[in-house]
Amino acid sequence: ELKVEQNPLFLSMQEGKNYTIYCNYSTTSDRLYWYRQDPGKSLESLFVLLSNGAVKQEGRLMASLDTKARLSTLHITAAVHDLSATYFCAVDPNRDDKIIFGKGTRLHILP
Amino acid sequence: DAGITQSPRHKVTETGTPVTLRCHQTENHRYMYWYRQDPGHGLRLIHYSYGVKDTDKGEVSDGYSVSRSKTEDFLLTLESATSSQTSVYFCAISEDSMNTEAFFGQGTRLTVV
Repeated sequence: ELKVEQNPLFLSMQEGKNYTIYCNYSTTSDRLYWYRQDPGKSLESLFVLLSNGAVKQEGRLMASLDTKARLSTLHITAAVHDLSATYFCAVDPNRDDKIIFGKGTRLHILP
Repeated sequence: DAGITQSPRHKVTETGTPVTLRCHQTENHRYMYWYRQDPGHGLRLIHYSYGVKDTDKGEVSDGYSVSRSKTEDFLLTLESATSSQTSVYFCAISEDSMNTEAFFGQGTRLTVV
């Protein structure tokens, strides 16, 4: 059974600090997605990673994928309050469009 | 924003009644998905569709059925609602399988009493 595990599940951090969210998955997948969700809102796509070694950056967020380690990271640089949200990673290990989500990392950035 | 609309946005229903949620898109995307979101579980895939009349089960399909008779509409039906189906339901669409990003609807909050 595929497992997608995010770590940590909850993170409270100060503005200006750097931090990394980890996404581990239990079976091989060369597709990985990151989404953001604000409280009471829908999900917004952040990154689509489609190959080993893929790295994508948008503003203070950078995502990377290591398919051999079955690991993706979402790195936050110099956090600002506006980045407070829940972040989800998701994988499609069988390329059969059954996208499986992690439980999410709730990020709270203190001003 | 992607043209994706869920209806209703909120619904309260009684145990044992049938409920249908609708997802409507104006993007002509091939793939459509239904997820449920519950605290501590993240999002879990219920059913998805890869074309008109082409659907498949997800992780938590028991108690749910779907239909897609037109490209733009994907219906999720709870045949006989139970309290365990109280949740927030999200529809998502994507153009080219999941090689591209998926766009999510605003969600439907369903309460079964």
